[in-house]
Amino acid sequence: DAEITQSPRHKITETGRQVTLACHQTWNHNNMFWYRQDLGHGLRLIHYSYGVQDTNKGEVSDGYSVSRSNTEDLPLTLESAASSQTSVYFCASSEGGRGNTEAFFGQGTRLTVV
Amino acid sequence: AQKVTQAQTEISVVEKEDVTLDCVYETRDTTYYLFWYKQPPSGELVFLIRRNSFDEQNEISGRYSWNFQKSTSSFNFTITASQVVDSAVYFCALNSGYSTLTFGKGTMLLVSP
Repeated sequence: DAEITQSPRHKITETGRQVTLACHQTWNHNNMFWYRQDLGHGLRLIHYSYGVQDTNKGEVSDGYSVSRSNTEDLPLTLESAASSQTSVYFCASSEGGRGNTEAFFGQGTRLTVV
Repeated sequence: AQKVTQAQTEISVVEKEDVTLDCVYETRDTTYYLFWYKQPPSGELVFLIRRNSFDEQNEISGRYSWNFQKSTSSFNFTITASQVVDSAVYFCALNSGYSTLTFGKGTMLLVSP
């Protein structure tokens, strides 16, 4: 069965370190997204990609970067982790098109920056 | 810009009660899509329903039903005869055709036995 997986599921890192969260999907979806979930804020879009070599900034992109070298993967990098980036991160994917298909989400990565 | 408002932060009911979760959206686009997702205590996000802006038919799926009203920009979700397993955070989301979802802040539903 097709799926979307995130790794690691939990991570603790120190302030200032670079951290990369992995996201891999086997749906062969063109669209991939990264969201963060914080209490009181719901899910907010960090970065997204409509296809290979395409990346776009979302609502809360400062301090994060992504790259899309193939269809299956969209890793999220925190350049210099800050305590404000402690959050639960969700990766998602959906078919291409004008938003008329649902997004499938990974299990989430809980990141703690100390 | 698009916006989704879920005014109810938390709702508590007793099993078998009916409960309605409210969702109000804002968009300037004439073509858009509305979604509901469920996030149980285990943390994953589960897709429940998608509705496009041209289809105002209400939908029923078992104990779940959805009421889409363009006149009031609302897409409300009702659970009939709630069960403990319905306890979760429910998110309403909007996609105005650019493939990025805008989520509401979620409503936490607690169903007690």
